[in-house]
Amino acid sequence: GNSVTQMEGPVTLSEEAFLTINCTYTATGYPSLFWYVQYPGEGLQLLLKATKADDKGSNKGFEATYRKETTSFHLEKGSVQVSDSAVYFCALNSSASKIIFGSGTRLSIRP
Amino acid sequence: GAVVSQHPSRVICKSGTSVKIECRSLDFQATTMFWYRQFPKQSLMLMATSNEGSKATYEQGVEKDKFLINHASLTLSTLTVTSAHPEDSSFYICSARQTGTPHVFGPGTRLTVL
Repeated sequence: GNSVTQMEGPVTLSEEAFLTINCTYTATGYPSLFWYVQYPGEGLQLLLKATKADDKGSNKGFEATYRKETTSFHLEKGSVQVSDSAVYFCALNSSASKIIFGSGTRLSIRP
Repeated sequence: GAVVSQHPSRVICKSGTSVKIECRSLDFQATTMFWYRQFPKQSLMLMATSNEGSKATYEQGVEKDKFLINHASLTLSTLTVTSAHPEDSSFYICSARQTGTPHVFGPGTRLTVL
């Protein structure tokens, strides 16, 4: 079945450090891939998405590229800020329109 | 942009009582709504999918008689947790979408059962 595996946290970085959160997926067909962010005490927000192979999603300095050959969708940011502290979820959209989430990665940024 | 609201945002109830949570799409008609639950420091687990005017489809392991879902209109779905117990305490999140558009998530409802 469809599944998402993402890097376990928590991840703690200093401000302006480079961020990578790994995500790999298993799916039949050609799913869309997403990164969602959940700030403390808030609901989920779509951070970025990619709908086909080699697409790059980007938003707020974050990027992720849909790699079909490695079934990956790693999240990257060149210089993180304290305000990026949140939980990040990798997800895919299955053929049944359901969204399947990874386990989430808690990111903490030190000033 | 598209917005989904949930009410209430927090609820505390006694064990054995029933609690209703509303999910509304504020500026679009949601043909499909989804209900998730999220335990502390864990991921979102899909509970059920509901289409307007039809019975909800529950995921394996979710008790349909305990978690009653009604999607009576294109802008409203309700989740009723019947005879709630402390193990039902969780963060319940809905999402809504029109056919072919991205999911829009609500802010969540934190349920605490004493």
